[in-house]
Amino acid sequence: AQTVTQSQPEMSVQEAETVTLSCTYDTSESDYYLFWYKQPPSRQMILVIRQEAYKQQNATENRFSVNFQKAAKSFSLKISDSQLGDAAMYFCAYRTLNAGGTSYGKLTFGQGTILTVHP
Amino acid sequence: DAGVIQSPRHEVTEMGQEVTLRCKPISGHDYLFWYRQTMMRGLELLIYFNNNVPIDDSGMPEDRFSAKMPNASFSTLKIQPSEPRDSAVYFCASSLEGNYGYTFGSGTRLTVV
Repeated sequence: AQTVTQSQPEMSVQEAETVTLSCTYDTSESDYYLFWYKQPPSRQMILVIRQEAYKQQNATENRFSVNFQKAAKSFSLKISDSQLGDAAMYFCAYRTLNAGGTSYGKLTFGQGTILTVHP
Repeated sequence: DAGVIQSPRHEVTEMGQEVTLRCKPISGHDYLFWYRQTMMRGLELLIYFNNNVPIDDSGMPEDRFSAKMPNASFSTLKIQPSEPRDSAVYFCASSLEGNYGYTFGSGTRLTVV
């Protein structure tokens, strides 16, 4: 079974600075998807960014980018020019592409990292 | 599209009572998931459906929990009888097959007293 580990329970950053959140995962599969979700205090889960494992190019969405290291099974999220609205819990998640098993379609989440943004 | 719609948003009930949580997925999505979120255990997948068929219910904690998806536009998660340890936020999410992430509902905060 796949596992996702976020080793930083909490992180903080000054407004306008850059912060990187770490995520590692364990899998024997070669094709899969990776995601970062944001959960602000409103508790709504919001998709931030996604990465297909077969793509070598790192995904970017405005101020959010990832550093995907497939061999190291690492998938970190970089937030540039941090804003107060970025304060939230961030979850890393893995989705298998391996059709046929009961894991297909299922997202496995890490434990989450609470990000605090200081003005 | 209105997104994934969950009801109620908050539920407070007494121990031993039956609780039913409801979910309407996004039209056209063929996967539906029920997750539970607690401080201690994080986000746990309880059960998921593909084309209205339950695929994996190994996360359902015990027989007190049951889930149904009678059609493509509606699902329920039922707890009977409820216990204080069931207090959590319950999320429903739906997805298309492929590399799409899930779209989550706003969750139901359940408190069992």
